[in-house]
Amino acid sequence: KNEVEQSPQNLTAQEGEFITINCSYSVGISALHWLQQHPGGGIVSLFMLSSGKKKHGRLIATINIQEKHSSLHITASHPRDSAVYICAANFGNEKLTFGTGTRLTIIP
Amino acid sequence: KAGVTQTPRYLIKTRGQQVTLSCSPISGHRSVSWYQQTPGQGLQFLFEYFSETQRNKGNFPGRFSGRQFSNSRSEMNVSTLELGDSALYLCASSLGLGESLEQYFGPGTRLTVT
Repeated sequence: KNEVEQSPQNLTAQEGEFITINCSYSVGISALHWLQQHPGGGIVSLFMLSSGKKKHGRLIATINIQEKHSSLHITASHPRDSAVYICAANFGNEKLTFGTGTRLTIIP
Repeated sequence: KAGVTQTPRYLIKTRGQQVTLSCSPISGHRSVSWYQQTPGQGLQFLFEYFSETQRNKGNFPGRFSGRQFSNSRSEMNVSTLELGDSALYLCASSLGLGESLEQYFGPGTRLTVT
């Protein structure tokens, strides 16, 4: 069964802290996506990766194909980073399967 | 370049009614996917359209249907609404078919069924 699991479900941190959100998946995938959803519902695609590491500003995404695991890191976290972060995977030629999301709250 | 737009943004309907939601993809994008998000089930894939044809379908009853027009705009329809259909409906567009293409999401339509 194609499954995507995220941890933690909720994360509260102080401004400036280094944040890590984890995602694991059950079988081989063709791509792994990290999405950000702010209150109000709009979703922004942060990263799409199938191997290695990608960086955009203070955000870094890594994936380990052998361990079926991906991480999203936020350096120097800021209150505006507060959002729900969702991991999603393409299993073979199937459409996106989503994790349950991680609700991140950054306290000033 | 304008992003993905969805109309309406909010909608209140009564059980048994039907509803049509609209999605306009980014100019040049030919694939449109629809997703349902509920507090209980999270995000779930509904269906994908490309070149006016449904290419993939999620595990939803036949009350959920959609179509795509020649300009790539897409509509989804839900008939005989149930309370459990209350959700945020999101569409996303991408350049074409292919599981490794980046998707761009619209702001969503929040449907409330009373």
